[in-house]
Amino acid sequence: GESVGLHLPTLSVQEGDNSIINCAYSNSASDYFIWYKQESGKGPQFIIDIRSNMDKRQGQRVTVLLNKTVKHLSLQIAATQPGDSAVYFCAEKSPGGGATNKLIFGTGTLLAVQP
Amino acid sequence: GAGVSQSPRYKVAKRGQDVALRCDPISGHVSLFWYQQALGQGPEFLTYFQNEAQLDKSGLPSDRFFAERPEGSVSTLKIQRTQQEDSAVYLCASSLRTRVEQFFGPGTRLTVL
Repeated sequence: GESVGLHLPTLSVQEGDNSIINCAYSNSASDYFIWYKQESGKGPQFIIDIRSNMDKRQGQRVTVLLNKTVKHLSLQIAATQPGDSAVYFCAEKSPGGGATNKLIFGTGTLLAVQP
Repeated sequence: GAGVSQSPRYKVAKRGQDVALRCDPISGHVSLFWYQQALGQGPEFLTYFQNEAQLDKSGLPSDRFFAERPEGSVSTLKIQRTQQEDSAVYLCASSLRTRVEQFFGPGTRLTVL
């Protein structure tokens, strides 16, 4: 079946360091991925997305890497700040969703930034 | 501009009560989604609307769950005869029909006693 999962449930980093959050997916037909950030008591916030025809995409302080060979993607956050502390989810557009762009979420990684 | 709003933010219900959760999507977004998020888990898809048409309700866990969007804007998720296992955060998201990225509201935290 389809699944999106994370390798590390908790990641603790020092302020200023770079963070890397990993995610594995199981369906080779998946063609679109999104990273979301969710702070306590809030809904998921869009960070960055990537399509399967790309290997890398950069945003402001964030980079997403996609390795289709091993069905793995990662989110890199440069110069991590205390405000980056949150749960990070990778989400996959369901390849069997038809006209529905429904998303399949992983279980999340808690990023804790130590000052 | 305003984002997705949801009300109430918190709802406590006694087991067996009916509840109604409201979602106001971003203006102009024809696609609307409902997700259920259990504590410590990622959101799970419940149902999808394109304008007023409910095109996918494959994620609704039982026939006690019902969603509507009669005028293609505001949506209501109704849960009848609530059970303790219904306790979760219910998230609403909207998007443009041509885009995949979804914008989420703050959610409604439902606690069933």
